[in-house]
Amino acid sequence: GAVVSQHPSWVICKSGTSVKIECRSLDFQATTMFWYRQFPKQSLMLMATSNEGSKATYEQGVEKDKFLINHASLTLSTLTVTSAHPEDSSFYICSAEDPSYEQYFGPGTRLTVT
Amino acid sequence: QQQVKQSPQSLIVQKGGISIINCAYENTAFDYFPWYQQFPGKGPALLIAIRPDVSEKKEGRFTISFNKSAKQFSLHIMDSQPGDSATYFCAARVSGGYQKVTFGTGTKLQVIP
Repeated sequence: GAVVSQHPSWVICKSGTSVKIECRSLDFQATTMFWYRQFPKQSLMLMATSNEGSKATYEQGVEKDKFLINHASLTLSTLTVTSAHPEDSSFYICSAEDPSYEQYFGPGTRLTVT
Repeated sequence: QQQVKQSPQSLIVQKGGISIINCAYENTAFDYFPWYQQFPGKGPALLIAIRPDVSEKKEGRFTISFNKSAKQFSLHIMDSQPGDSATYFCAARVSGGYQKVTFGTGTKLQVIP
């Protein structure tokens, strides 16, 4: 099956710093990628949808200047959490859409802001 | 209109028993209904999916039943095993590209030996 990777799998950063999370589709090209956030024991919350080469579409309530998304190629999307705060600590998950429109999820990145 | 309601929130089943998770949706534009399995600290993995032109789909021990008129669908796990212990999410979306997945609230399944 299709494989989506994320890097890093976990990261700890200090408050006020920025952190970048990568999402890669390893064996298919993904025109569209999605970024989710998941709090403990909760469902996935869609943050934004990105199309290769164009600006991301953010969900209502998600600060686009805080969560910068770049989908620069058909296999890579990045999420940068800028000026991170402890409340940004969460599990971030990406998904990538294959040419048949099936979406495959990455393994997630655990962000802890101290 | 975008909600997908899922129940139960948690479920404990004996090994070998049947696990049943139910979902209901409101948006009649949804035409693709996947189920995902998520282990702690991991991303969701696609388990099985169904389209509304069929009422049932079976893959191994996993079966989806779909009732279009009631706007309900359910996941049955036959012969449940301890390795099935995970959180299960039903989901719904419109077919095609660039479509958001609307997730249910999740069911934490525990299969006890």
